[in-house]
Amino acid sequence: KQEVTQIPAALSVPEGENLVLNCSFTDSAIYNLQWFRQDPGKGLTSLLLIQSSQREQTSGRLNASLDKSSGRSTLYIAASQPGDSATYLCAVFYGQNFVFGPGTRLSVLP
Amino acid sequence: DAGVIQSPRHEVTEMGQEVTLRCKPISGHNSLFWYRQTMMRGLELLIYFNNNVPIDDSGMPEDRFSAKMPNASFSTLKIQPSEPRDSAVYFCASSLRGGLSTNEKLFFGSGTQLSVL
Repeated sequence: KQEVTQIPAALSVPEGENLVLNCSFTDSAIYNLQWFRQDPGKGLTSLLLIQSSQREQTSGRLNASLDKSSGRSTLYIAASQPGDSATYLCAVFYGQNFVFGPGTRLSVLP
Repeated sequence: DAGVIQSPRHEVTEMGQEVTLRCKPISGHNSLFWYRQTMMRGLELLIYFNNNVPIDDSGMPEDRFSAKMPNASFSTLKIQPSEPRDSAVYFCASSLRGGLSTNEKLFFGSGTQLSVL
């Protein structure tokens, strides 16, 4: 069964810290992995997409890595800001369907 | 492009009533997905379509739920009769090619907040 897990479930950090969110998947036959951000009461916004042949992708202060063989991806957020507070979800694409993790709820304290 | 458009944004109804949620995918996208999100269960895939054809509806909770995609620009999710446990946020999402692409990206609508009293 294709399952995606995320740790930690919740994280609270002071402003300015660098932090890492983790995503694990059981089936390594992936096409790509996407990281999403969800603000309370809103839809999901795509942050980064890593194709199966890639090792990492960067966008501003965000860096996502992918290790297919170990079934892991990390989202690194540099110099966190209160505006980064949201829930972050990873989703694995298996060719037709996307399987989502439960998300990590991040709070960045001013 | 306006993105994935869902309506209504909020729906409050009484138990036993029929509920219809609507979705307009991004123009040119070949795949459409319906998800349900709750605090307890997270984001669950209900059904997805490829080229207007339902591919996997194994996530549809029970016969009270049905989904249609009569054309490439419109889909509905219907609940009849509705029950309080159906209360959740329902998201529609679309993607371009519908599969087998490592660059396939998922785009979400803003969701419909459903409350069944």
